[in-house]
Amino acid sequence: GAGVSQTPSNKVTEKGKYVELRCDPISGHTALYWYRQSLGQGPEFLIYFQGTGAADDSGLPNDRFFAVRPEGSVSTLKIQRTERGDSAVYLCASSLGGPAGEQYFGPGTRLTVT
Amino acid sequence: AQSVAQPEDQVNVAEGNPLTVKCTYSVSGNPYLFWYVQYPNRGLQFLLKYITGDNLVKGSYGFEAEFNKSQTSFHLKKPSALVSDSALYFCAVSGGYNKLIFGAGTRLAVHP
Repeated sequence: GAGVSQTPSNKVTEKGKYVELRCDPISGHTALYWYRQSLGQGPEFLIYFQGTGAADDSGLPNDRFFAVRPEGSVSTLKIQRTERGDSAVYLCASSLGGPAGEQYFGPGTRLTVT
Repeated sequence: AQSVAQPEDQVNVAEGNPLTVKCTYSVSGNPYLFWYVQYPNRGLQFLLKYITGDNLVKGSYGFEAEFNKSQTSFHLKKPSALVSDSALYFCAVSGGYNKLIFGAGTRLAVHP
């Protein structure tokens, strides 16, 4: 079956601009996660949705970052007033839920802020 | 606070030899432990997990991992390495929460 998909695969934007990153999870997966991976590091948790609601947003670095999942399926990560330090690969994952469930990751969106 | 340590940036092994990629963790409560592999330009792929029960967990592609509670370790192993196993490996823990805490990763290089 289809895995997690993310669009765009690459995004180059200028400092100060607004960007949206999209994640389409595996059908039937109620849990959706966003992570950020900087070069040479492991993924860092940003936010977790259970259904439509954000169950844990403790990893969002500041209020320029926001994510939604209005219908409990597709999610959008939104970054306002982008900064060069936001450059990273943004990963989305989905699962059936629960801390013991394995998460399935998409290929990521590489964001470059110039 | 939960944390994961992968003490080796890179592991080199000859094809056909056994391999071990090390991972230690710190978590309050019962740990849920995972290994993922990342190939170039591809997403993270799930290899195996430990939840409870048998300390030796078997996963995809012939990999296994041994959970050791006293040493708080969850080392990844394979009896005979393949060149195609060369990739970046990540250990992760959830510790009862839904988010994964990842280590920094270990690059495995298998030489012919």
